[in-house]
Amino acid sequence: ETGVTQSPTHLIKTRGQQVTLRCSSQSGHNTVSWYQQALGQGPQFIFQYYREEENGRGNFPPRFSGLQFPNYSSELNVNALELDDSALYLCASSFQGGTGELFFGEGSRLTVL
Amino acid sequence: QQPVQSPQAVILREGEDAVINCSSSKALYSVHWYRQKHGEAPVFLMILLKGGEQKGHEKISASFNEKKQQSSLYLTASQLSYSGTYFCGTERASNYQLIWGAGTKLIIKP
Repeated sequence: ETGVTQSPTHLIKTRGQQVTLRCSSQSGHNTVSWYQQALGQGPQFIFQYYREEENGRGNFPPRFSGLQFPNYSSELNVNALELDDSALYLCASSFQGGTGELFFGEGSRLTVL
Repeated sequence: QQPVQSPQAVILREGEDAVINCSSSKALYSVHWYRQKHGEAPVFLMILLKGGEQKGHEKISASFNEKKQQSSLYLTASQLSYSGTYFCGTERASNYQLIWGAGTKLIIKP
């Protein structure tokens, strides 16, 4: 168990709706990264937050946005949901300047109908 | 930009060995290896930072050829618990922002 918790674990939305996913990082970690993992695929990097600022972004449109709070927990928001957004969303926490290891939560499984 | 993993799938008998490869067309800072079991989060195995470095984790080891931008994961005397999908993740700089391969599914039979 990594100490990274995500909520909700499963959710179902319809096209056009908005969703917020939450992540509590492991104690002492100051960096949170979000990944999207479609069924049978490797994770795709969405963005990373370090000290409450976006610190890097993958090839995802602006309707994917995020926040990091002073306690280093984080949110991923997706607006105007599309069917292709159906995936497992993984949060990974790490410590900048540490060993390089990412600690993943169990993920939030989003289904868009 | 996505690293290429091979093979896509491997079926082994318990006790057999396997090699999983990961190649990138870009210069890399590091290569990470993770294992993900069905319905679970990826779990860290090891990270390789220098060309030619080899690391070990129980009976699992890996190497990184910096000249070829290629990493290999070696699983020796495989156990049933090794089953899962193995992913390599690559970093082009020290930023914890990984680009992942498509994964190699490993099935171990008794």
